[in-house]
Amino acid sequence: NAGVTQTPKFRVLKTGQSMTLLCAQDMNHEYMYWYRQDPGMGLRLIHYSVGEGTTAKGEVPDGYNVSRLKKQNFLLGLESAAPSQTSVYFCASRDRTQPMETQYFGPGTRLLVL
Amino acid sequence: SQKIEQNSEALNIQEGKTATLTCNYTNYSPAYLQWYRQDPGRGPVFLLLIRENEKEKRKERLKVTFDTTLKQSLFHITASQPADSATYLCALALMNRDDKIIFGKGTRLHILP
Repeated sequence: NAGVTQTPKFRVLKTGQSMTLLCAQDMNHEYMYWYRQDPGMGLRLIHYSVGEGTTAKGEVPDGYNVSRLKKQNFLLGLESAAPSQTSVYFCASRDRTQPMETQYFGPGTRLLVL
Repeated sequence: SQKIEQNSEALNIQEGKTATLTCNYTNYSPAYLQWYRQDPGRGPVFLLLIRENEKEKRKERLKVTFDTTLKQSLFHITASQPADSATYLCALALMNRDDKIIFGKGTRLHILP
């Protein structure tokens, strides 16, 4: 099992550019999450999904969109990148069938918006 | 307002001693609480989970306590080693909303040789 993988590992964008971050998991997990982590702010939930075809807003959803077309993939899109979106982005997944199961995190995507 | 608070400053502990990290929360009713470890440049890794009706959980050198009256969890590492140096995050899963987990900002722990 590869667990949770994220693509790309690092990206530099100019203000106004768009990009998509890809998260993939091979554990057949129902729930998937996108977080951003900034110094002094901890992990903040952007969007999450409780199953294929469903998404919901988290704590800081503005400026981001997501899609969950396949159970194993969760995409995070930035339509028009802003310097405030410079951050480290983590994807996570967990199993719904055991309600108190842990989250498994990917290695992160470092995004710099100039 | 709802808050999860962890020691904001780094914690320096001498090797071999017990490290104790604190997680306090306000205006939450967590169903359970988790502790994660995060190394620089890596994603968080799950360590321990404790349910709201449990007082204490142990795993090897790790021990977690959960006091819902004090609204506090303590995370202990006994016989600490330099390899235990990392940032430790606490996370709450809320009653009836266990599809979302709320993270604290983390405490950086340094074990000094």
